[in-house]
Amino acid sequence: KNEVEQSPQNLTAQEGEFITINCSYSVGISALHWLQQHPGGGIVSLFMLSSGKKKHGRLIATINIQEKHSSLHITASHPRDSAVYICAVTDKLIFGTGTRLQVFP
Amino acid sequence: DTAVSQTPKYLVTQMGNDKSIKCEQNLGHDTMYWYKQDSKKFLKIMFSYNNKELIINETVPNRFSPKSPDKAHLNLHINSLELGDSAVYFCASSPLRGGPSMIGELFFGEGSRLTVL
Repeated sequence: KNEVEQSPQNLTAQEGEFITINCSYSVGISALHWLQQHPGGGIVSLFMLSSGKKKHGRLIATINIQEKHSSLHITASHPRDSAVYICAVTDKLIFGTGTRLQVFP
Repeated sequence: DTAVSQTPKYLVTQMGNDKSIKCEQNLGHDTMYWYKQDSKKFLKIMFSYNNKELIINETVPNRFSPKSPDKAHLNLHINSLELGDSAVYFCASSPLRGGPSMIGELFFGEGSRLTVL
């Protein structure tokens, strides 16, 4: 069992839908990162959080330290959101297996 | 201006050869990393350097040797390449937040796809 688990592994949605991707971890962490990997391969950091909630545009990330769980939400999804979303925890630098999201027009 | 740049982006080589991938960051970060992404797209940390000092060295064959000439550069040298080394290798950097164990936001290079024939 991975120390960082994501669900679902694959997700398809219609444009405009609200999307939630989950990440659970079993190790102590100092922070949790949400990353986005585009079909072209590049990886971009979306959020780094150690408590509470962060919002950037249509993206919202939350973390519950007691439950060792984080969620990434995308409101009003768009085809350009199609990517693999990866959660990672530091300081052990362990990555989840990723969630492949496809948003159709 | 690219923040974290890796070269080359693509590398095709024969088994047994030695190759290097270079990484440079212009963000002034203290910490740099090498990650390997396998064919199943799973990312795994290989090495981490803080200010030219090795701080993480995961279970990686000793054919892989990182070299950090200064804190803006972390190169990866691979000896005696094997088929299983085929992967995408990502370099990244991050600032520190309040100490060596407090890693900040991660900034990734575009990746270097290595194919070993």
